[in-house]
Amino acid sequence: AQKVTQAQTEISVVEKEDVTLDCVYETRDTTYYLFWYKQPPSGELVFLIRRNSFDEQNEISGRYSWNFQKSTSSFNFTITASQVVDSAVYFCALSDLSNTGNQFYFGTGTSLTVIP
Amino acid sequence: NAGVMQNPRHLVRRRGQEARLRCSPMKGHSHVYWYRQLPEEGLKFMVYLQKENIIDESGMPKERFSAEFPKEGPSILRIQQVVRGDSAAYFCASSSSLGLTYEQYFGPGTRLTVT
Repeated sequence: AQKVTQAQTEISVVEKEDVTLDCVYETRDTTYYLFWYKQPPSGELVFLIRRNSFDEQNEISGRYSWNFQKSTSSFNFTITASQVVDSAVYFCALSDLSNTGNQFYFGTGTSLTVIP
Repeated sequence: NAGVMQNPRHLVRRRGQEARLRCSPMKGHSHVYWYRQLPEEGLKFMVYLQKENIIDESGMPKERFSAEFPKEGPSILRIQQVVRGDSAAYFCASSSSLGLTYEQYFGPGTRLTVT
């Protein structure tokens, strides 16, 4: 069965600190996609990144970086030099091809608070 | 190209009333997905529709909930006789008919409050 686990429910950091959000997934498919979304207090979902299961290269985008490790079924997200505007709930999600329609499976989210 | 649109953004209903949530997919998209986010939780899949067809409704509650995606017009998620436990954010996503179903684009959500 497909499952996404975000063990960290809440994290607080002081501004300018680095923070890593953990994501562990389960799937039997060999082809799948992993995502991170940001949900600010306004409530909408902001797409951050999509990676497919065949591309294990780490990715960096500005202050954001992602570490994809198939060996440990993890797709962790690091924010470098955090800012107050990073305060939000962050969701990791999985999409595979094992079921009709290819739904997304979301983790329960990690609430990040950046303290000025 | 306009994104996925949902309306209303906020909806307040009294217990026992009906709630209708609308989702207009991105232009050219013919696949629609509905998700529900209960307070303090992640999004949970409810139903997947193509034009005039329900493909997968495995996440829909058995009673009071229904969804449609007509040939013309938006997709509608309908909740009859709402109860307090229906209070949640309902997100719609759409994808194209090209088979890239992992490319789901999410709307801003409708926040339903049942009083």
